[in-house]
Amino acid sequence: QKEVEQDPGPLSVPEGAIVSLNCTYSNSAFQYFMWYRQYSRKGPELLMYTYSSGNKEDGRFTAQVDKSSKYISLFIRDSQPSDSATYLCAMSGGGYNKLIFGAGTRLAVHP
Amino acid sequence: SAVISQKPSRDICQRGTSLTIQCQVDSQVTMMFWYRQQPGQSLTLIATANQGSEATYESGFVIDKFPISRPNLTFSTLTVSNMSPEDSSIYLCSVVGWQGLNYGYTFGSGTRLTVV
Repeated sequence: QKEVEQDPGPLSVPEGAIVSLNCTYSNSAFQYFMWYRQYSRKGPELLMYTYSSGNKEDGRFTAQVDKSSKYISLFIRDSQPSDSATYLCAMSGGGYNKLIFGAGTRLAVHP
Repeated sequence: SAVISQKPSRDICQRGTSLTIQCQVDSQVTMMFWYRQQPGQSLTLIATANQGSEATYESGFVIDKFPISRPNLTFSTLTVSNMSPEDSSIYLCSVVGWQGLNYGYTFGSGTRLTVV
């Protein structure tokens, strides 16, 4: 079993839809949870960061962490074609602990 | 947040040869990380590079194949040695720290390596 599981998709939605991206994990030591966006032929870009459980909102993006269920989510409201990218969840135990990535979910938002 | 420059951005190499990838950060950082992203796959950590000490390699990666240098707090190199087609990947360097209100790893734009 992988430490972090993420459905690779692809996920195709119409413009304006609410997108839900999810990851599950098995290591209860994980405390830091991140979402990265990666456009084709680019390096990953940090999108959201959450420490421990709870919600965090930034514009159209909301990150949720449920440590009791070992489940994290990223919601994108009013999705735009420019949101078309691969979204990777990542997590670590903190400090300089190794960052473990999910497989990434490829999202396509069509006009 | 840190800005990372990686060179080369891409290369096509013959099997059996070696390629050295350079990573320059615009600020001093204690640790630098090298990742590999194989086609259609997620990111896998190769090694962690501290200035002034030997790099720490993850399981499945060895120094003879992926030697790393870290001569100062802003620069590191990763060499992919004796390359085979299986080494065709994107190689990324990364540093950790705060980016505004977010804490996480900043990545360079990567080196896209094709081995023929």
